[in-house]
Amino acid sequence: EPEVTQTPSHQVTQMGQEVILRCVPISNHLYFYWYRQILGQKVEFLVSFYNNEISEKSEIFDDQFSVERPDGSNFTLKIRSTKLEDSAMYFCASSEVDRGDEQFFGPGTRLTVL
Amino acid sequence: DQQVKQNSPSLSVQEGRISILNCDYTNSMFDYFLWYKKYPAEGPTFLISISSIKDKNEDGRFTVFLNKSAKHLSLHIVPSQPGDSAVYFCAALNYGGATNKLIFGTGTLLAVQP
Repeated sequence: EPEVTQTPSHQVTQMGQEVILRCVPISNHLYFYWYRQILGQKVEFLVSFYNNEISEKSEIFDDQFSVERPDGSNFTLKIRSTKLEDSAMYFCASSEVDRGDEQFFGPGTRLTVL
Repeated sequence: DQQVKQNSPSLSVQEGRISILNCDYTNSMFDYFLWYKKYPAEGPTFLISISSIKDKNEDGRFTVFLNKSAKHLSLHIVPSQPGDSAVYFCAALNYGGATNKLIFGTGTLLAVQP
């Protein structure tokens, strides 16, 4: 069964450093998403991406964040200058169609900012 | 901004009995509701959904009930099995608002005791 994959599974970084979280969506999917979950809190929407541009973003997704689809398979989330409060589990999701219940989630990347 | 609330952080049920997980929402613009299941070290997995034009949707052992006037939905699992032990997230969408942004609750940890 096709699945969304994410690398690395765990990323530790120093405050102020740049990190890139990588995702490989399901191959025939056209819509891509990033969510995050701070420990003990709810899963929060960050951004959705379609046709090589951001279609929607949350207030969390400020200028420190960017997304890119650098080739036909990867979808990345870059945090330019990490802060302690960026420590969270980051989930990538993808969907074939424009439907919320068709979003398939990856296993997540745990980001720890020291 | 707690638009979707799951007030029970945990629930313990005996195998074979019914599990009832509850969810409340505040935004009357939500018109589609979903339940996701999450195991440790995995991403959320879609379980079952319901449109606001319905009050019940059933899929095997899983049934979701929606009470729009009370802004309340519940997930019933009958009979509960040990493999159902996981964190269950309620999520909501505003399809009419042309968004795929899932708004999640904080989750309920279900433990099914053998």
